[in-house]
Amino acid sequence: DVKVTQSSRYLVKRTGEKVFLECVQDMDHENMFWYRQDPGLGLRLIYFSYDVKMKEKGDIPEGYSVSREKKERFSLILESASTNQTSMYLCASRGFDGGTDTQYFGPGTRLTVL
Amino acid sequence: ELKVEQNPLFLSMQEGKNYTIYCNYSTTSDRLYWYRQDPGKSLESLFVLLSNGAVKQEGRLMASLDTKARLSTLHITAAVHDLSATYFCAVDSSGGSNYKLTFGKGTLLTVNP
Repeated sequence: DVKVTQSSRYLVKRTGEKVFLECVQDMDHENMFWYRQDPGLGLRLIYFSYDVKMKEKGDIPEGYSVSREKKERFSLILESASTNQTSMYLCASRGFDGGTDTQYFGPGTRLTVL
Repeated sequence: ELKVEQNPLFLSMQEGKNYTIYCNYSTTSDRLYWYRQDPGKSLESLFVLLSNGAVKQEGRLMASLDTKARLSTLHITAAVHDLSATYFCAVDSSGGSNYKLTFGKGTLLTVNP
């Protein structure tokens, strides 16, 4: 089974802090994604990466950056956290599993910025 | 810009009844995905539909894809309480080049005894 893990399930940070959210996948997938999920807005893509050191902006990249130094790890960075970044953050990994192209999600990190 | 619309957004149904969730999308795509999300949890992959006319079934759920109509349906047969969750459809808008998915807003399904 594909496994996507995220470093924290719950995180509380203060405004202005630098925040790192880590995601690791064990299926050697090339494509990894960071989303945020908010009530009424659904899932919105922040950034994605299709290879090591490669990244592309998604629909809402402002206030975020990412890092992909190793194939299995994709990090989301909030350079200076703000209260409007309080959200559920979901990491995903996509590739072929048993011949079917599927995107798998991690358990999520619920971030609260005070 | 690809738009993915689900309806209804909220669905309350009784156990034993049948219902259908609809997913419309605005541009050509031949890859559509259905996910389930339980409260406070992440998304779980349900179905991957890869061609026109594709139909997949798992238990009381059946998904189909009509690429000409740009429409997918998720049909629920004889609903049970355990099916209560939020269901998302997602469309691959990249033509397979970077695997970017665009999600609908989700359908919150509540199955009442």
